[in-house]
Amino acid sequence: SQTIHQWPATLVQPVGSPLSLECTVEGTSNPNLYWYRQAAGRGLQLLFYSVGIGQISSEVPQNLSASRPQDRQFILSSKKLLLSDSGFYLCAWGRQQRYTEAFFGQGTRLTVV
Amino acid sequence: QKEVEQDPGPLSVPEGAIVSLNCTYSNSAFQYFMWYRQYSRKGPELLMYTYSSGNKEDGRFTAQVDKSSKYISLFIRDSQPSDSATYLCAGGDTDKLIFGTGTRLQVFP
Repeated sequence: SQTIHQWPATLVQPVGSPLSLECTVEGTSNPNLYWYRQAAGRGLQLLFYSVGIGQISSEVPQNLSASRPQDRQFILSSKKLLLSDSGFYLCAWGRQQRYTEAFFGQGTRLTVV
Repeated sequence: QKEVEQDPGPLSVPEGAIVSLNCTYSNSAFQYFMWYRQYSRKGPELLMYTYSSGNKEDGRFTAQVDKSSKYISLFIRDSQPSDSATYLCAGGDTDKLIFGTGTRLQVFP
């Protein structure tokens, strides 16, 4: 069966510090991978998605970037965090096909102070 | 205008009630639709998947999609306190999903 791991579960970072959140998927190959952010009252906002190694699509221009160095690894990064980057970050995977469901990890709650 | 609109609630109902959760969407390219349930501080879990218009039933849950009116619904029969959570609807075209803001549901004993 497929599993998705996301860490850390919680993170408190000062403004201006870098960020690296990692997500890995097991039990499947060539998945679609997604990063979402969930802020209070705003629902799940798609940040990045990837259909293959090195292929990243950005949905929202902002202070974040994503990379996919391996087939089942997806990394969300920032060089300098802003207060507005606080939120609940969720990684998800989907099958490599059209109209696929997304299966979520347990999320990282990031607080920028 | 958001691509997927959803009333944030909260919606409070007694145990055993029938719950109706609704969303509207604006993107005509959406071909598939989902409902997710999210407990506090957890990742969303997939409840229902529907491709194109129609109904789909799974136990106490029924999902409906009306593409002509761009309307998505989730019905929960015989609601239980364990159903208390935030319910997220989503629509998608090809590779990615767009979510509503979620409706918070509280089922009280």
